[in-house]
Amino acid sequence: NAGVMQNPRHLVRRRGQEARLRCSPMKGHSHVYWYRQLPEEGLKFMVYLQKENIIDESGMPKERFSAEFPKEGPSILRIQQVVRGDSAAYFCASSPRVYQPQHFGDGTRLSIL
Amino acid sequence: QKEVEQNSGPLSVPEGAIASLNCTYSDRGSQSFFWYRQYSGKSPELIMFIYSNGDKEDGRFTAQLNKASQYVSLLIRDSQPSDSATYLCAVSSGGGADGLTFGKGTHLIIQP
Repeated sequence: NAGVMQNPRHLVRRRGQEARLRCSPMKGHSHVYWYRQLPEEGLKFMVYLQKENIIDESGMPKERFSAEFPKEGPSILRIQQVVRGDSAAYFCASSPRVYQPQHFGDGTRLSIL
Repeated sequence: QKEVEQNSGPLSVPEGAIASLNCTYSDRGSQSFFWYRQYSGKSPELIMFIYSNGDKEDGRFTAQLNKASQYVSLLIRDSQPSDSATYLCAVSSGGGADGLTFGKGTHLIIQP
């Protein structure tokens, strides 16, 4: 499968736990983006990363959320001490270069109990 | 605050007709423009992208861009029931901060 791979597809956490969402970009793509889609709302940009660098995190909540894209392995979106309001679909997208179209993974549906 | 506006619909179009979807954006410095299709419960799928003023055609789809009016549109010819979905307009300002700003989408219904 040459597409953007996200896992898990569904993740259930209790309030206060940590959630880790993973994303492997398409082959040949070095730019990774994370978006969040709340119920009945549009897609919101969270963070843009290249290998070992955060380029733009202007859409990330100031607390509890962090992202990384290490030299080896997938990009990780980490949410600490989850709250009910974190329940959403989290999508990862990748592109080969700046300004090029972004292709989306299937997303991770996060549910907070 | 960068904004992308779309009519939420639903937009109902008979099968075989042309569906016309519109989008306006607030950031005059925007450089790249994209249309994604999203079926309920699924991820966004890239349909078209356009960078320059004018029209760009790909099969049944035509994207139109007018930077002076800050307006982007998507035309779908010979509409099929399988085209029924939410269509998301997305804009990138580039300049290194390449996160897309999305509209809330237009819900399109193709009536058989």
